[in-house]
Amino acid sequence: DIRMTQSPSTVSASVGDRVTLTCRASQNIGNWLAWYQQKAGEAPKLLIYKASSLERGAPSRFSGRGSGTEFTLTITSLQPEDYATYHCQQYDSQSNSYSFGQGTKVDMK
Amino acid sequence: QVYLQESGPGLVKPSETLSLRCTVSGGSISGSSYHWGWIRQPPGKGLEWIGSIYYSGKTYYNPSLTRRVTISVDTSKNQFSLKLSSLTAADTAVYYCARLYNYGTDSWGQGTLVTVSS
Repeated sequence: DIRMTQSPSTVSASVGDRVTLTCRASQNIGNWLAWYQQKAGEAPKLLIYKASSLERGAPSRFSGRGSGTEFTLTITSLQPEDYATYHCQQYDSQSNSYSFGQGTKVDMK
Repeated sequence: QVYLQESGPGLVKPSETLSLRCTVSGGSISGSSYHWGWIRQPPGKGLEWIGSIYYSGKTYYNPSLTRRVTISVDTSKNQFSLKLSSLTAADTAVYYCARLYNYGTDSWGQGTLVTVSS
């Protein structure tokens, strides 16, 4: 199984801040990494796919980087609507399986 | 735009089997580029992939749940289903059905809360 570890668990930030979240894989996953935003009571929404591609309709202040085992999601200027929990997800092409990190909550400083 | 809607009981007793159905609209379930899958989220916790199925019926399951999980597909009804047996309180969660590509999960149902309690 490929384990995904996100850090930090919580980040406190203010509107306008640059925020960077990290996701690490227990083994090389290439660029099969996606990021999701989830607000309370809602289903997750895809933000970034294939590590760095912005999903259609997602704001351009979101960007993803990385490959192999270390990945980051950056919000260049935090907006009020960005307070949420962010999840990373990997796809293992050898077993056709998926797994998620435990999530990072972005809350108000 | 494809839409997914979960249906099934909100309360199930311990040791029983959970049965959920996902109805897909706005698109065909018979596509070769993606899986149809189930993902759950216990209250206050992270997301867990349960398993996926191709329209052909080929299935893939989370190794931690494989002994208890069965996912099936009915292409004639544009639906797929989840069965999870031997339930315990640890299976209490919001259950989502979703469309999964290898690059990400682009469509989700709204989720349905399933509580395991006597």
